Amino acid sequence: IAGITQAPTSQILAAGRRMTLRCTQDMRHNAMYWYRQDLGLGLRLIHYSNTAGTTGKGEVPDGYSVSRANTDDFPLTLASAVPSQTSVYFCASSPTSGGVNEQFFGPGTRLTVL
Amino acid sequence: GQNIDQPTEMTATEGAIVQINCTYQTSGFNGLFWYQQHAGEAPTFLSYNVLDGLEEKGRFSSFLSRSKGYSYLLLKELQMKDSASYLCAVRDSNYQLIWGAGTKLIIKP
Repeated sequence: IAGITQAPTSQILAAGRRMTLRCTQDMRHNAMYWYRQDLGLGLRLIHYSNTAGTTGKGEVPDGYSVSRANTDDFPLTLASAVPSQTSVYFCASSPTSGGVNEQFFGPGTRLTVL
Repeated sequence: GQNIDQPTEMTATEGAIVQINCTYQTSGFNGLFWYQQHAGEAPTFLSYNVLDGLEEKGRFSSFLSRSKGYSYLLLKELQMKDSASYLCAVRDSNYQLIWGAGTKLIIKP
């Protein structure tokens, strides 16, 4: 593979269920990010990781958790899904968090919570 | 608070030129990015500005004025494939990107 992959592509989930969205990159990027994108709103940062072993909270972290056990993987977990978490979720990565480095995005996961 | 403003939608004609504006108010400034996003797809990087002035890349150019909190993306020789949303994002003092809601650009023949 080359770039960032996300799984699943889409999911319909019952409220209250636990769900993990997977994200893997093979570019050896240090920084990784999770965003949600809702109609009429900009991308909003949920959690980020500047390097393996560290994570940080973004703008909208409540109801979500992440881990960064290694460089390549950055899973996002919804402990108990609620309908307001219906959204398109994008994972992104960049070589570092600063400099000219742009963020590269995965194809997204479309999540519907009923 | 932090705020990025850009027009919701613009319409232009194939072959013409269009300018998409972005104004921002953020806690700190460490660069401004423009991304393109086709419907149902992921955003892809277009340009980066950190110093005042114009950056040109083929048919696309991006301008920045830090004192005015203002940027624009200029698209020349518009093609139908340029129909997409254009996202403005500012990297703040924490080195996180703050995103505008995007400008949907509609190209008409």
